Amino acid sequence: GDSVTQMEGPVTLSEEAFLTINCTYTATGYPSLFWYVQYPGEGLQLLLKATKADDKGSNKGFEATYRKETTSFHLEKGSVQVSDSAVYFCALSLQGAQKLVFGQGTRLTINP
Amino acid sequence: GAGVSQSPSNKVTEKGKDVELRCDPISGHTALYWYRQSLGQGLEFLIYFQGNSAPDKSGLPSDRFSAERTGGSVSTLTIQRTQQEDSAVYLCASSLTGGWDTQYFGPGTRLTVL
Repeated sequence: GDSVTQMEGPVTLSEEAFLTINCTYTATGYPSLFWYVQYPGEGLQLLLKATKADDKGSNKGFEATYRKETTSFHLEKGSVQVSDSAVYFCALSLQGAQKLVFGQGTRLTINP
Repeated sequence: GAGVSQSPSNKVTEKGKDVELRCDPISGHTALYWYRQSLGQGLEFLIYFQGNSAPDKSGLPSDRFSAERTGGSVSTLTIQRTQQEDSAVYLCASSLTGGWDTQYFGPGTRLTVL
């Protein structure tokens, strides 16, 4: 079945460090890919998305490129801030399937 | 309202009792989703409503779970004869027309079954 696999957490970095959170997927069709973020005490928010191969989604300094050849959608940020501390979820959605299929989430902590 | 709202924010119940969880989607959004977030299972899809179409119930874990959406707006998720494994955060989301539209999530209802 369709699934998303994220790198194991938790991840702890120092402020201004480079961030990569790996995400790979398995899908029977041609999915759209998403990164959602859950800040402490808040609901899930869409961070970025990409709907076709080689698309790059970006927001708040975060980027992820849809790589069909490697079935990946890794999240990157060049210089993280304490305010980026949150849980990050990679997800896919297949046309006609409507639902989001989520990875297990990666907890990120940024220390000053 | 500005976003998706859910009530109650927290619910503690005894095993075997029935519970109802409410979701108010963003005004004008025709698609509504329920998900469950639990430690053991992560984030799981439960059910999807789109306009007047029959709901997609493929994610409901058992026949103790049901949901309805009245008037194309407010939705209620009902869990009958609750079990301890039902303890989780229940999330509601809505999107403008479904499909690949962005889903906007509510703050969730934390359900604890004692």
